[in-house]
Formats: sequence, structure tokens, C-alpha cells
Amino acid sequence: AQSVTQLDSQVPVFEEAPVELRCNYSSSVSVYLFWYVQYPNQGLQLLLKYLSGSTLVESINGFEAEFNKSQTSFHLRKPSVHISDTAEYFCAVSDRVGGGSNYKLTFGKGTLLTVNP
Amino acid sequence: GAGVSQTPSNKVTEKGKYVELRCDPISGHTALYWYRQSLGQGPEFLIYFQGTGAADDSGLPNDRFFAVRPEGSVSTLKIQRTERGDSAVYLCASSYANSRGYTFGSGTRLTVV
Repeated sequence: AQSVTQLDSQVPVFEEAPVELRCNYSSSVSVYLFWYVQYPNQGLQLLLKYLSGSTLVESINGFEAEFNKSQTSFHLRKPSVHISDTAEYFCAVSDRVGGGSNYKLTFGKGTLLTVNP
Repeated sequence: GAGVSQTPSNKVTEKGKYVELRCDPISGHTALYWYRQSLGQGPEFLIYFQGTGAADDSGLPNDRFFAVRPEGSVSTLKIQRTERGDSAVYLCASSYANSRGYTFGSGTRLTVV
């Protein structure tokens, strides 16, 4: 079974500082990788995803994540955060092989990013 | 609709009661998923529908949980004889077939007292 480890449950940073949210997964097969964000009192939103091709993927609001197959990691980074980035971030993995069109996700426990002024 | 709609947004029920949670997916999305998010945890998969059929119900915790999607659109998650441990946010998501990365609803917060 898949598992996803988010190594930090909480990450406090100051505005305009860089941030990295770590994610490792366990899988012996090829996978799809995702980062979802949950702003306070809102639903989960897809931030970015890795399906194939370039191992570096970017979101429209300045986040990026790099798929590292040898380290089974998919860490999320942003060079300069804003207060509005305060949210909970979830890493998730979906099997590439098997299941037909079923792309069920296995989520990590989440990392609460708090950006302080 | 513009997004995945879940009703009610909040539900408080007494232990032992029956509850139904509704999910209205994005129009045209044939794939529908239910997840459960307990406090301090990430969402956990419950069940997947492709059209009207439950193609994967391996995440349902026990036989008190059941879900239907009779016309391939709206889905209802049903929980019998609720227990305090069922308290969680129940999330629904939908997508086109074979689409990775789906759209989540805002969830139903279920509290069993």
C-alpha cells in the first residue's frame, strides 16, 4: 500500500522568506504526485501535479515542486512567501499502474504553513 | 454547477442515528470519489464511482457505510448507527474519466454526539 510522509506538521516563516515543505512517498511503481492546498475554512484545491515529463512542475502562484525518483520525494518550494500563502498543504500520490480509471489518492497528514509579518 | 456541491455543510447527529450526506458533482464528470478527513489527518479514500457503479469501495471502514449514485450524477453517502468515531469532514470530489487531479467540494462536517 502507498504511504506519504510529510515530515513537518507545522512550518512557521516570515513574509518574503523562502520555504520548503517536504514530502516523501513509498512506492515500488510509477506514480502521479500532487500538492493540494486548503486555505482556512475552504475546500481542498489542486496546487500542482506531476504526471510525466519534466521533473520540475510549477503553479501559477509561484510554488514549484521537483519529483526525485531516487529519493522518492516531491518537495514543495517557494522562494518568497506571502501572508496569503498561510494554509495547510497536503502531498498526495496516486498509482500509475492498475486500477483502470481509478485514480484514488493517498494523502499525507498535511503541513500547516503559517506566514508571519 | 460551477463546482462540486456538498450538503449539508454541517451535520450534528446523535450516536446511533442514520445520516445521509449529499454530493452534487460538476456536470459531465463521470468519476466521483468520497474521502474522509479526521482532525489532524489527511483525507482518506472511501469509495470511487465510475458512472453509476461503485468501482472501488475498499476504503469504506465497515458495513455501516454505504454510498449510491443511481443516475451517475448526484451521490449520497449513508451512515447507519453512527458512532462518535465517525465524526469527521466528509469530502466529495469529481473528475472526467481518466483525469488525474480532481475537484473537491467544501465537505460536510459531521459531528456525532
